[in-house]
Amino acid sequence: DGGITQSPKYLFRKEGQNVTLSCEQNLNHDAMYWYRQDPGQGLRLIYYSQIVNDFQKGDIAEGYSVSREKKESFPLTVTSAQKNPTAFYLCASRTAPGSTEAFFGQGTRLTVV
Amino acid sequence: SQQGEEDPQALSIQEGENATMNCSYKTSINNLQWYRQNSGRGLVHLILIRSNEREKHSGRLRVTLDTSKKSSSLLITASRAADTASYFCATARMDSSYKLIFGSGTRLLVRP
Repeated sequence: DGGITQSPKYLFRKEGQNVTLSCEQNLNHDAMYWYRQDPGQGLRLIYYSQIVNDFQKGDIAEGYSVSREKKESFPLTVTSAQKNPTAFYLCASRTAPGSTEAFFGQGTRLTVV
Repeated sequence: SQQGEEDPQALSIQEGENATMNCSYKTSINNLQWYRQNSGRGLVHLILIRSNEREKHSGRLRVTLDTSKKSSSLLITASRAADTASYFCATARMDSSYKLIFGSGTRLLVRP
């Protein structure tokens, strides 16, 4: 089955630690995205990538880093510089700009303990 | 900053009634999309309307787009309890950017 997979579903981080969230897609999509969602809020764009080895900052990139070494994979690292990382993180992909829908993973809930 | 803002933030209706949600945005767009999110889950695409379209239907969904007012509305007719979810609009800009920007969402509760 084609789709987009995020792992883990739940992640706990100690203060000062870096953690990496996984996002993999087998839809052959060019573009991939990371969004952050706080309780009862909308989605805010962290980073996006249009093609392998290229990525762009979104609106809230500070404290986060990404890589796009393979078309299928777009991992997000939440660094210790992110002061309030507790949130729900959503990964998405789509084929190209223009009139195409985005497909979402089921999300990773990150909690700082 | 978020491109789209939904209105109302929350909506509670009785099963069988219609639900209308509105979305406003700031810049010129290529298309506008509506998504649904069940609590704690990923988003699911509902419908896409292009900037040169004014209205689109899909089942019980009706979407309108007014580019002069930079606004869109989503109408769900004959609502069901299973329609309870959050609904988001998302805009794709006119330039070649891949950016897809989401609004703040409307939380819909359909009471049985």
